[in-house]
Amino acid sequence: DQQVKQNSPSLSVQEGRISILNCDYTNSMFDYFLWYKKYPAEGPTFLISISSIKDKNEDGRFTVFLNKSAKHLSLHIVPSQPGDSAVYFCAASERGATNKLIFGTGTLLAVQP
Amino acid sequence: NAGVMQNPRHLVRRRGQEARLRCSPMKGHSHVYWYRQLPEEGLKFMVYLQKENIIDESGMPKERFSAEFPKEGPSILRIQQVVRGDSAAYFCASSPGRVANEQFFGPGTRLTVL
Repeated sequence: DQQVKQNSPSLSVQEGRISILNCDYTNSMFDYFLWYKKYPAEGPTFLISISSIKDKNEDGRFTVFLNKSAKHLSLHIVPSQPGDSAVYFCAASERGATNKLIFGTGTLLAVQP
Repeated sequence: NAGVMQNPRHLVRRRGQEARLRCSPMKGHSHVYWYRQLPEEGLKFMVYLQKENIIDESGMPKERFSAEFPKEGPSILRIQQVVRGDSAAYFCASSPGRVANEQFFGPGTRLTVL
């Protein structure tokens, strides 16, 4: 039962262009969503988050969009840089629960110089 | 300004041995979470602890696995009688409180069972 889904295992983008990573969820009780970036042999690094009361949150080159009716969120990175090459995980937590995060399976982003 | 610390970074055990994984949360954080990442998969929640209390262990296998977060010292994830299927990366995360949703992760312990 995969409650958070990242259907694209990989994405390749040219440096300077926009990277769009997608995430779908099935649990309507999720009220907080996060994106993490992970390099090989390291722990995930928090990037950006969004509460369900918002539909957009921006932090520098990173913007997260939330479409609650479609149960879909996306992470936009613009402009993409080679150092952005990593695995990106979408995660969600549930209202009233114990703050545990439910992760997607990740998308490997490769930014080509 | 140390982040979340985990040790050892790499652990090799033979089938049937015990594995002990340690996690020291960020300074000021009293909430600890353990996650496991199997090869080619995302991170899966295992257990959530506060000092001296297990709050949610819904992701922990019922047998062989246990976790603690004592009043003094690091949080410990203990796996008894390890099997090959326990081979994975185990990540610890911490947060300052339950309300804060952002969790900060350590570098992980990579357990290999021979």
